[in-house]
Amino acid sequence: GDSVTQMEGPVTLSEEAFLTINCTYTATGYPSLFWYVQYPGEGLQLLLKATKADDKGSNKGFEATYRKETTSFHLEKGSVQVSDSAVYFCALSGSTNAGKSTFGDGTTLTVKP
Amino acid sequence: KAGVTQTPRYLIKTRGQQVTLSCSPISGHRSVSWYQQTPGQGLQFLFEYFSETQRNKGNFPGRFSGRQFSNSRSEMNVSTLELGDSALYLCASSQGGSGANVLTFGAGSRLTVL
Repeated sequence: GDSVTQMEGPVTLSEEAFLTINCTYTATGYPSLFWYVQYPGEGLQLLLKATKADDKGSNKGFEATYRKETTSFHLEKGSVQVSDSAVYFCALSGSTNAGKSTFGDGTTLTVKP
Repeated sequence: KAGVTQTPRYLIKTRGQQVTLSCSPISGHRSVSWYQQTPGQGLQFLFEYFSETQRNKGNFPGRFSGRQFSNSRSEMNVSTLELGDSALYLCASSQGGSGANVLTFGAGSRLTVL
């Protein structure tokens, strides 16, 4: 079945540092890929998405590129802020099973001033 | 545009009891999914309903059930509660058609089983 593997956390960075959170996936067909973010006490919210190979999703300074050859969708940000502290989830929705999304375990990011 | 609303936000039950959680999706969304979030297991898919039919199901025991009404509102029920059922239960809605399944999540219902 489909699966998503994220780099283990937690990740602690200083403000303005560069962020990378690795994500790889296993899926049949051509899934859509997502990053969701969860702030304390809230549900998840969509950060960015990519629906086909070589697509780049971007939002709020975060970027991720759909790499089919390496089955990866790594999240990057050039300069993190304290307000980026949250849990980040990589996810996919399969092309063969509409309506079901598979999530990684989440990576907790803490940004210190 | 109202978001996904989950009720109740917090509840405490004892082992053996049952619980019903409610989810009102975004207007126009026909798909509702339920997830269980725990520190040890991450985000686990429970089931998804589309147009009142269960379309997908995760690997949870039969004690976990759900349904969807004609107005797309959904409920999930957990019977014979166990301590391990303590978790944050998240509901998410989407349009549910083909293509990228973009989910909009509610804030969750936090269940504590004593």
